[in-house]
Amino acid sequence: GQQLNQSPQSMFIQEGEDVSMNCTSSSIFNTWLWYKQDPGEGPVLLIALYKAGELTSNGRLTAQFGITRKDSFLNISASIPSDVGIYFCAGNNNNDMRFGAGTRLTVKP
Amino acid sequence: GAGVSQSPRYKVAKRGQDVALRCDPISGHVSLFWYQQALGQGPEFLTYFQNEAQLDKSGLPSDRFFAERPEGSVSTLKIQRTQQEDSAVYLCASSQLDGIQETQYFGPGTRLLVL
Repeated sequence: GQQLNQSPQSMFIQEGEDVSMNCTSSSIFNTWLWYKQDPGEGPVLLIALYKAGELTSNGRLTAQFGITRKDSFLNISASIPSDVGIYFCAGNNNNDMRFGAGTRLTVKP
Repeated sequence: GAGVSQSPRYKVAKRGQDVALRCDPISGHVSLFWYQQALGQGPEFLTYFQNEAQLDKSGLPSDRFFAERPEGSVSTLKIQRTQQEDSAVYLCASSQLDGIQETQYFGPGTRLLVL
């Protein structure tokens, strides 16, 4: 089963709003990653975090690697309709990667 | 450039039938991973190869599941005597080197439905 607790499970927001989702674990991870999965496709990497406390941005996306190595968050600013999809957090230790259950994001125009 | 490709994209099997799912990793990628993704869930690890060596198969749910990568490139995941609970998306991912920080790139998946 899933080892990472990802929340919220789903979000319904208006275009232009900011979004925040997070992931926690009882285990420490060396790397935290955030993926987006569109229907019928595989997950696509958005951001990878390699150091505790690291804050990384990729366009409108910002993610942080928690200082305890047991959590991470992803923020999306000024959401647009193409942000719709399922966002997964993942923790990785030496090729042992575990995923959260996903946050399903719906953006209303 | 060419990413990870998987075939078939969709497979419908009758219960008890054997199936074989193919993964073509990104050229030159050393590591290859198989995941199973149930509906509404995140991917779950099945097995991992470094070149042709299967280094971890702890996620394979039963001895009906078998994976191989004989020449260190293309990999095949075989499921024998399929059961309805095997219905899921099977994802393949590859990464460039066997290192701590290597990023895994995913294929589109094979959607298996067992009737």
